[in-house]
Amino acid sequence: EDQVTQSPEALRLQEGESSSLNCSYTVSGLRGLFWYRQDPGKGPEFLFTLYSAGEEKEKERLKATLTKKESFLHITAPKPEDSATYLCAVPGSNDYKLSFGAGTTVTVRA
Amino acid sequence: DTGVSQDPRHKITKRGQNVTFRCDPISEHNRLYWYRQTLGQGPEFLTYFQNEAQLEKSRLLSDRFSAERPKGSFSTLEIQRTEQGDSAMYLCASSLLFGNEQFFGPGTRLTVL
Repeated sequence: EDQVTQSPEALRLQEGESSSLNCSYTVSGLRGLFWYRQDPGKGPEFLFTLYSAGEEKEKERLKATLTKKESFLHITAPKPEDSATYLCAVPGSNDYKLSFGAGTTVTVRA
Repeated sequence: DTGVSQDPRHKITKRGQNVTFRCDPISEHNRLYWYRQTLGQGPEFLTYFQNEAQLEKSRLLSDRFSAERPKGSFSTLEIQRTEQGDSAMYLCASSLLFGNEQFFGPGTRLTVL
């Protein structure tokens, strides 16, 4: 069964203090790894898809990287508006069923 | 706004009542998914449609739950005889037929008293 584990559970940062979130996964054949951002009371917002080890994607202050066993979401010089829960997910063998981690809740203080 | 929409956004009901939620996917998306999310957890897969065909149901989807997608457009999720354990955020997502990225709606927050 596919497993996704995220760490840490929570991260409190000062504005401008860069950090990284971890997503480790166990799947039988990676068919992509997805990062989402979720604000309180809202649905997840799609950020990135990574397909192969060594791949990197960037969006504003966020950069996602992928290895054979884990993915990192780097937040560079975060701002308070980057506060959210960040979720990673992998699709199952049939491509459509996403298995999510529990998320990392990031709080950025001004 | 051409994203995924869900209605209602919030539903409070008493135990034993039936509730129905609606999801309108992105118009060109053939695939539609339902997930459930409880506090502090990631979304959990419930069921999946390709056009109007329901192709998989999770074991989380008890016989009190039913989902439909008539004509391959909007979808409804009905919960009969609600229980307090059904309280959660119900999320709908859609994707292209040959695309992995799933785009989520804002969710329906269900509270069962």
